[in-house]
Amino acid sequence: SQQGEEDPQALSIQEGENATMNCSYKTSINNLQWYRQNSGRGLVHLILIRSNEREKHSGRLRVTLDTSKKSSSLLITASRAADTASYFCATAPSNAGGTSYGKLTFGQGTILTVHP
Amino acid sequence: EPEVTQTPSHQVTQMGQEVILRCVPISNHLYFYWYRQILGQKVEFLVSFYNNEISEKSEIFDDQFSVERPDGSNFTLKIRSTKLEDSAMYFCASSYRTGGATKNIQYFGAGTRLSVL
Repeated sequence: SQQGEEDPQALSIQEGENATMNCSYKTSINNLQWYRQNSGRGLVHLILIRSNEREKHSGRLRVTLDTSKKSSSLLITASRAADTASYFCATAPSNAGGTSYGKLTFGQGTILTVHP
Repeated sequence: EPEVTQTPSHQVTQMGQEVILRCVPISNHLYFYWYRQILGQKVEFLVSFYNNEISEKSEIFDDQFSVERPDGSNFTLKIRSTKLEDSAMYFCASSYRTGGATKNIQYFGAGTRLSVL
C-alpha cells in the first residue's frame, strides 16, 4: 500500500451516528493532518497531530496517532448531513533531524455520506 | 478569514498550448505549494517554493512545469506544452512555516480545473 492509505474507501451512515476513518502510512513523519474536501472543491484543514502526540480533539473531531503502527484514525461524533465529504489524511515526512520539509503526501481518501 | 485565491476556476486549453495558473497565497505566508488531483485520484504534491526558489519537487514536476513568484503577492504555475494527461484539478497552498507547529498548516485554494483537449 502507498503512503497515507485510508480505509474504508466509502462510509455511509445515518445522521447522529459516529464515523471512524483510518489511515496508514509508511515513512517517518513529523506530523499527520486530516483534510476535508467537498465535491469538486478545495481542501479544508481539519486537524494536525504531531508525531509526539497520541490524541487530539477539536469540537466533534477526535484524532489518534499510533506511530508504532504507523496509523491514525479520525472520529467524527454525532455526524450531520453537512459532514458529507471526502476525508483525507496527509503526512508531512521528517528528515533525520525530525523537522519537516513541508511537502504533504495524501491518501486516497474516505468518502463519507451522512444520510439525514 | 484570510484565504488562498486561485484563478481561473476552470481553464480549457488545446494540447501543446501553454497555460499559466495563478494563485494569491495568504499574505504573511512564506511557503508555497502546488498540488494536483486527477479526477478520482489522490492529491499529489508537485512543488514547494520558499525564499524565491524551489525547495522540493516531485517526479511529476518535469521540465514542462515552472513556478514563479513575479511580485509580492502572486504565485504562478506554468505548463509549457500541455498534454492530455495534465488534465486535473490544480491546487495552490501556502503555509507560514514548515514543521510540526500549527503554523505549518497548509491552506488550500479552491483549485483550478484544467481541461486539455
